[in-house]
Amino acid sequence: GESVGLHLPTLSVQEGDNSIINCAYSNSASDYFIWYKQESGKGPQFIIDIRSNMDKRQGQRVTVLLNKTVKHLSLQIAATQPGDSAVYFCAENHFFGNEKLTFGTGTRLTIIP
Amino acid sequence: NAGVTQTPKFRILKIGQSMTLQCAQDMNHNYMYWYRQDPGMGLKLIYYSVGAGITDKGEVPNGYNVSRSTTEDFPLRLELAAPSQTSVYFCASSYMTSTDTQYFGPGTRLTVL
Repeated sequence: GESVGLHLPTLSVQEGDNSIINCAYSNSASDYFIWYKQESGKGPQFIIDIRSNMDKRQGQRVTVLLNKTVKHLSLQIAATQPGDSAVYFCAENHFFGNEKLTFGTGTRLTIIP
Repeated sequence: NAGVTQTPKFRILKIGQSMTLQCAQDMNHNYMYWYRQDPGMGLKLIYYSVGAGITDKGEVPNGYNVSRSTTEDFPLRLELAAPSQTSVYFCASSYMTSTDTQYFGPGTRLTVL
């Protein structure tokens, strides 16, 4: 069935370095993708989104890349800070009568001081 | 604005008990959602609502019920609690559709023993 999966469950990055979190999706009809950040004990928080008519979108210190050919998206975080330590989820949306987001399992990012 | 609020923060239930998880938002959002998050997993949609008086099932609706009598409130009811319902429950809302940014509440951690 359709799924949104992640390549790596954990990632450790030195403070100040860049980090890349990857996500694969299986539904070629997906047309909207979102990255969420979830800190311990809190609800997910929106980071950045991208629509299928784009292949790159930049925010503040974050960039999302979308490769529709291989159904892959990534989240790049520049100059990581301790506050970036969290679990990061990708989610996809496709409309087939019901609108809903499908979330991936998540990647835990740990920033090493 | 308080955003999305959830009560209680924690709850322990015995098998067969019932309870209602409360969710409220003060952003005048039309869409509201209930998700559950099992340990180390992504979020799964239980129910959602596109407006007052309208609700629909998500991926994992069995064992739950919802109602949406007002724009602000979207309670989730567990009628006969089972250990499989041990999870963290998140409520979320978005302005018009699920492709609008979803804002999440802080979650309710439920344990069924």
